[in-house]
Order: sequence, then structure tokens, then C-alpha cells
Amino acid sequence: QVQLVESGGGLVKPGGSLRLSCAASGFTFSDYYMNWIRQAPGKGLEWVSYISSSGSYTNYADSVKGRFTISRDNARNSLYLQMNSLRAEDTAVYYCARDVLPYSSSSMFDPWGQGTLVTVSS
Amino acid sequence: QSALTQPASVSGSPGQSITISCTGTSSDVGGYNYVSWYQQHPGKAPKLMIYEVSNRPSGVSNRFSGSKSGNTASLTISGLQAEDEADYYCSSYTSRSTPAVFGGGTQLTVL
Repeated sequence: QVQLVESGGGLVKPGGSLRLSCAASGFTFSDYYMNWIRQAPGKGLEWVSYISSSGSYTNYADSVKGRFTISRDNARNSLYLQMNSLRAEDTAVYYCARDVLPYSSSSMFDPWGQGTLVTVSS
Repeated sequence: QSALTQPASVSGSPGQSITISCTGTSSDVGGYNYVSWYQQHPGKAPKLMIYEVSNRPSGVSNRFSGSKSGNTASLTISGLQAEDEADYYCSSYTSRSTPAVFGGGTQLTVL
């Protein structure tokens, strides 16, 4: 079945770095744009970043631009998010999510991974 | 403040129908048919319930339906069941700098 599994979350100090991973299975990973979406504790959903199916195009929310870098390895069916200069306001559950439509950024997401919690605190 | 506006909460009794609205602008909901709805139970990941305004993914109950009029999209749940109690989020493609915007979420209580 189609599945996404995130890993790499944890506790990090302000200004620190963390790298999240998302392992995909059950579909042709290289056909789909992939996204990172986050949810701060008790808050709503916030789109963070996407990467095109080939990895050639990326886009970021203004809140993370210049600090976060999305990447993918289609040979390994894996998605990554390198997070630098972390701030307290980056504390959230981070979900990876596949775009619904192949070869496009439709901003509709299915499926979602189970999420990985990132806590930025001293 | 979220880009799309949803009511904070709605409630209904088992068997009843409820509708959740999602209001945006011509730059998002009103301009594109890439509107989607997600159900999220506490501690769980969001689940896609409706995509492209009114399409249901395989496995989603036909009690869930979506529509759009102008800049407002709506999710209707008919024949409410206890298991429908959850948070619901709308999302839309947008022509602004970030391609996806979400609503603030609506907490559905089944009385």
C-alpha cells in the first residue's frame, strides 16, 4: 500500500540544525511532487515546502525561506528536509505528503505520513 | 491568521447533516478547482476526504460531499456518526508566492 514514514525529529536548541527524512513505498516515487507540511502544537496546518518530481524545482513558505532546504533521492524513494537556524516557532509535527496528481503541484495532499515532532527549546 | 476562513466549531446530532464553509478569495478558492478537505482525529495525521472540490478518494464514505460557489467551498457530512467527530481543514491552490493555503480548521462535535 501507499505509505510515507517520517523520521529524524527530536529536541534541538535554538540556532541548531536537524534533518528530517521521509521514506516512501507503494507508488512510483519519481512521478510525484512531494511536500512538507507542519502543525504547531494545538494549531492548524502550514505548508512548508515542495519539490518537483525530478527534484529540479523547489518552493518554500516565507517563514522558512533561506533556513530550510528540501531535497529528494528518487533512487532511494526518499524525501528530506534540512532545517538550519531553528527557532522556537519552528516547533511542530512535520508531515511529508504526496501531491494527489502526478507531475504537478496541485496543493492537494494524499497520503500523509504519521509525522515527526520537532521541538526547538533551550 | 489563516488564509482561508473556516468556522472554529460546528456540532450536530447523530443522523443529522452539517456543512463546514471555507472562504477564500479569487486568488485561491474562487480561482481554482484544486480545493481539498482533510479529516484529522486527535494525535493522528490528516486524511484526505475530498479533492478537486467534490471528488472522493477511494474508501471515503459517500456521506462526505464537497461543493464550491464563488470564493467559498463547503464540506457536507450527512448521516452524522460518532466517528466523524474530528477536526476538518480545507486547503486550496493559490496563485500567491506560496502555492498552498489552509483554513484554520473546524472542530466537529457529534452530540
